[in-house]
Amino acid sequence: SYELTQPPSVSVSPGQTARITCSGDALPKKFAYWYQQKSGQAPVLVIYEDSKRPSGIPERFSGSSSGTKATLTISGGQVEDEADYYCYSTDSSGNHRVFGGGTKLTV
Amino acid sequence: QVQLIQSGAEVKKPGASVKVSCKVSGYTLTDLSTHWVRQAPGKGLEWMGGFDPDDGETIYAQKFQGRVTMTEDTSVGTAYMELSSLTSEDTAVYYCARRSGDGYHFDYWGQGTLVTVSS
Repeated sequence: SYELTQPPSVSVSPGQTARITCSGDALPKKFAYWYQQKSGQAPVLVIYEDSKRPSGIPERFSGSSSGTKATLTISGGQVEDEADYYCYSTDSSGNHRVFGGGTKLTV
Repeated sequence: QVQLIQSGAEVKKPGASVKVSCKVSGYTLTDLSTHWVRQAPGKGLEWMGGFDPDDGETIYAQKFQGRVTMTEDTSVGTAYMELSSLTSEDTAVYYCARRSGDGYHFDYWGQGTLVTVSS
């Protein structure tokens, strides 16, 4: 079955840039999406279609994708950005969705 | 505004089935597809399945095929997820999520339903 691979944890100081990666064989052809999940809450979409930001999401959140790796960048991380982040995409057929294992961001 | 309101927590015995509901408002259920995602305690998100409008059928993650059924009652604007042959490994928070009309992403989520499987 298809898998997306993320680092388990990333840690930055406030004001620093955090980068969270997501690797998957189908990413050259399929979009990546990113969700933020804070403790006890439902996930919130922060990036869709590799690099688009939904309304209401701060500009410090950005996304990119190159080859088999997608990256979520948080420029100038703030304490309130501490959360688990999950990438999400589909397999090459487009039928089956999958989440990455999640990355715990500490600011 | 758009809301997805899920049914309350459930406690089930091993071998039993559970049916979780997700009542939508602010849009018409049939206009956008509903998917289900679960999260075991302290674990990551796991996609279970959902309706694929491109193919016109419900698709299930291979892991759950044969054990999960996702349905909709359009008359009451409610989606359902039924999982059978429960084991302790099915203890999790189950979320319904609305697939966006312009992509594969989920733009709105329910509040989650905790299903505990215990003897």
